[in-house]
Amino acid sequence: GAVVSQHPSRVICKSGTSVKIECRSLDFQATTMFWYRQFPKQSLMLMATSNEGSKATYEQGVEKDKFLINHASLTLSTLTVTSAHPEDSSFYICSALQGANYGYTFGSGTRLTVV
Amino acid sequence: GDSVTQMEGPVTLSEEAFLTINCTYTATGYPSLFWYVQYPGEGLQLLLKATKADDKGSNKGFEATYRKETTSFHLEKGSVQVSDSAVYFCALSSGGSNYKLTFGKGTLLTVNP
Repeated sequence: GAVVSQHPSRVICKSGTSVKIECRSLDFQATTMFWYRQFPKQSLMLMATSNEGSKATYEQGVEKDKFLINHASLTLSTLTVTSAHPEDSSFYICSALQGANYGYTFGSGTRLTVV
Repeated sequence: GDSVTQMEGPVTLSEEAFLTINCTYTATGYPSLFWYVQYPGEGLQLLLKATKADDKGSNKGFEATYRKETTSFHLEKGSVQVSDSAVYFCALSSGGSNYKLTFGKGTLLTVNP
């Protein structure tokens, strides 16, 4: 079946530094990828939608200069948290869409802790 | 806009008990409906889905029927196991240009032996 690899699974960084999270579709081409943030014991909040070769579409309230998304190929999207602060600590999850057949595949998530 | 309302947890059951997690939705048009499961510290896995009214999605003993008249997609399992302990999310997609998923808040299920 479809597999999405998300890396790293856990990262601890110092306040003020930047962290890059990768999301790769291993056995299919993903026209669209999504980035979510999940707070403890809460649902997933969609941050942005990225389409290969174009700028990401951010949800209202999400700072696009802080959460940089790049979808340079049909198999890779990256989320960079710039100048991270402790309030950015969260669980980030990516999802890839296999065309228009509603096949969403999720990555295993990245636990970001900013100290 | 689209929204999903699901039964608040946590839900605690004994092994072999019957499970129902309610889910209702509001959407334009004819959305596709999904149930996802999240085990501790992991991402989401698709449990089942239904793409049109009266469809029944099923997987691993779980079932849910797309009820357009009641805008519902309740999750059921006849006999739960300890390994079913997880968070369950109901979700919908109305399609459109980006096929965004709208999630419910999730329901934590704990099954005790």
